[in-house]
Amino acid sequence: GDSVTQMEGPVTLSEEAFLTINCTYTATGYPSLFWYVQYPGEGLQLLLKATKADDKGSNKGFEATYRKETTSFHLEKGSVQVSDSAVYFCALLTGNQFYFGTGTSLTVIP
Amino acid sequence: GAVVSQHPSWVICKSGTSVKIECRSLDFQATTMFWYRQFPKQSLMLMATSNEGSKATYEQGVEKDKFLINHASLTLSTLTVTSAHPEDSSFYICSAREGSTGANVLTFGAGSRLTVL
Repeated sequence: GDSVTQMEGPVTLSEEAFLTINCTYTATGYPSLFWYVQYPGEGLQLLLKATKADDKGSNKGFEATYRKETTSFHLEKGSVQVSDSAVYFCALLTGNQFYFGTGTSLTVIP
Repeated sequence: GAVVSQHPSWVICKSGTSVKIECRSLDFQATTMFWYRQFPKQSLMLMATSNEGSKATYEQGVEKDKFLINHASLTLSTLTVTSAHPEDSSFYICSAREGSTGANVLTFGAGSRLTVL
């Protein structure tokens, strides 16, 4: 069935380090792909999305490219900040159903 | 943008009582809303899909009589945890998908933390 697999955490980085959180998916058809972010004590917020192959979603310095050939949607940021500390969820939409990864906790230390 | 309001944000109740959590779409109509339970270590579990005007669709393993879901209007869905017990303590999050334009984005509420004593 359709599913999302994302890199297990927790991930700890120093400020200004490069971030990659891996996400791969399994889906029939052509899903839309998303990254959501959850800050401590809050709900999930949409960070970025891509709806078709080779699309690049970007927001707040984060980027992810929809790679159909590798069924991946890895999240990247060139220089993380302390304020980026949060849990990141990869998700896909196929048909009327959303599937979420297990989340990756990121802690950025000064 | 689309906003989903969830209330209460935190509730503490005694074991055996029932608690209702509301999820409202503030500036759009939501024909479909989703209820999630988030466990420690962030794992997000889909509990049920709530459809306006019809019965909710529950995921396998979720007790329908325990977690009552009502989606009486296009802007409101409620989750009632009946006869709550300490093991029901958790973070419950709702989300909504805009119905009118078929937007392919889920908007989440801020979550409701339930603590059962």
